[in-house]
Amino acid sequence: AQKVTQAQTEISVVEKEDVTLDCVYETRDTTYYLFWYKQPPSGELVFLIRRNSFDEQNEISGRYSWNFQKSTSSFNFTITASQVVDSAVYFCALSASYSGAGSYQLTFGKGTKLSVIP
Amino acid sequence: DAGITQSPRYKITETGRQVTLMCHQTWSHSYMFWYRQDLGHGLRLIYYSAAADITDKGEVPDGYVVSRSKTENFPLTLESATRSQTSVYFCASSELGRSTDTQYFGPGTRLTVL
Repeated sequence: AQKVTQAQTEISVVEKEDVTLDCVYETRDTTYYLFWYKQPPSGELVFLIRRNSFDEQNEISGRYSWNFQKSTSSFNFTITASQVVDSAVYFCALSASYSGAGSYQLTFGKGTKLSVIP
Repeated sequence: DAGITQSPRYKITETGRQVTLMCHQTWSHSYMFWYRQDLGHGLRLIYYSAAADITDKGEVPDGYVVSRSKTENFPLTLESATRSQTSVYFCASSELGRSTDTQYFGPGTRLTVL
């Protein structure tokens, strides 16, 4: 079975601080994909990034960066110089085979609520 | 408009009533999914569909029925709603259901069962 753990339920930071959201995953598959989604207060789910299990290079996109480490089964997300607009719930998810049928489903963590205080 | 839409966006119903939540996508994606989102549980998969007339259970299928007669539509029916089904429901789609595929989500339907 696959599992995604986001141990931080809620985080509050002051604007312009850096913040890291933790994600730890479990899977028996050797090929898998990891995702981050953002859910702002308006409620929609916005795709942020996808990484495959063979690419451990860090990824940077503007103020966002992701650190993937297979040795610790972690896929952490860092926001640099946080802004109020970053306030949202962030979900980490794992894509791996479901029921062995060859189709892949997402297993989500429970999410981390980030509040950025002006 | 292109994308994935859900209707209604908000629904209040009573215990025992039948409710159908609609999902429509314009990308011609093969795979479609229904999730429910509850505090403390994140998102959990209810049902998914690999193509028209092909559906399968997810993690929490009890109390729900799905159908998929057309590729673009994937309705979710609660045949006899219960209070425990009060939740936010998200529909999603992906191109081929491969591990590389990104799932894109609809705006969600907030369902309250009284």
